[in-house]
Amino acid sequence: GAVVSQHPSWVICKSGTSVKIECRSLDFQATTMFWYRQFPKQSLMLMATSNEGSKATYEQGVEKDKFLINHASLTLSTLTVTSAHPEDSSFYICSASERSSQPQHFGDGTRLSIL
Amino acid sequence: GENVEQHPSTLSVQEGDSAVIKCTYSDSASNYFPWYKQELGKGPQLIIDIRSNVGEKKDQRIAVTLNKTAKHFSLHITETQPEDSAVYFCAAQTPSGNKLTFGGGTRVLVKP
Repeated sequence: GAVVSQHPSWVICKSGTSVKIECRSLDFQATTMFWYRQFPKQSLMLMATSNEGSKATYEQGVEKDKFLINHASLTLSTLTVTSAHPEDSSFYICSASERSSQPQHFGDGTRLSIL
Repeated sequence: GENVEQHPSTLSVQEGDSAVIKCTYSDSASNYFPWYKQELGKGPQLIIDIRSNVGEKKDQRIAVTLNKTAKHFSLHITETQPEDSAVYFCAAQTPSGNKLTFGGGTRVLVKP
């Protein structure tokens, strides 16, 4: 149980392109989803927290107009990297939690490479 | 905010030996402490967790201990196997916001 699916797993695109990443909870309803960014050999850095039906809460230093998050249903959240540039290249990982007292379960991440 | 320190950053053990990873946290309000295993190119996988009302928890070869007074918690892996090789992350969560703060990670290598 507690499976989180993330798609795509890998994307390469040109600078200036917008890229959408999907995060789905397959066997549970997620009231809260989280988006993280991970650089090589580093820890996970929380970018934003999204609750179904409400606006995402962004961490300090994360540009909300750059990283658009939508959590339209209890099983789907999307992260759109707008006008991506090479410095946005990273490993983006989502997690989902059924409710605040429950563990976070992670997807397998999306490796984004901007040329 | 919460700050989590994790040591060591790398750990090499012989197959069959034990591995211990230690974490300290700063916010005494933190009450939930999960451990994740991340294999190359994958997302973190929850392997064990402990809540602040418990001092120790065990699941087969994996155990976690928590010392609330000292604000530190540890992961113990016994009888290590090559498939235990991965990066392990500890994390701490405060009651408000449901956010996790991660430690820096420990790269574990189990040598056959």
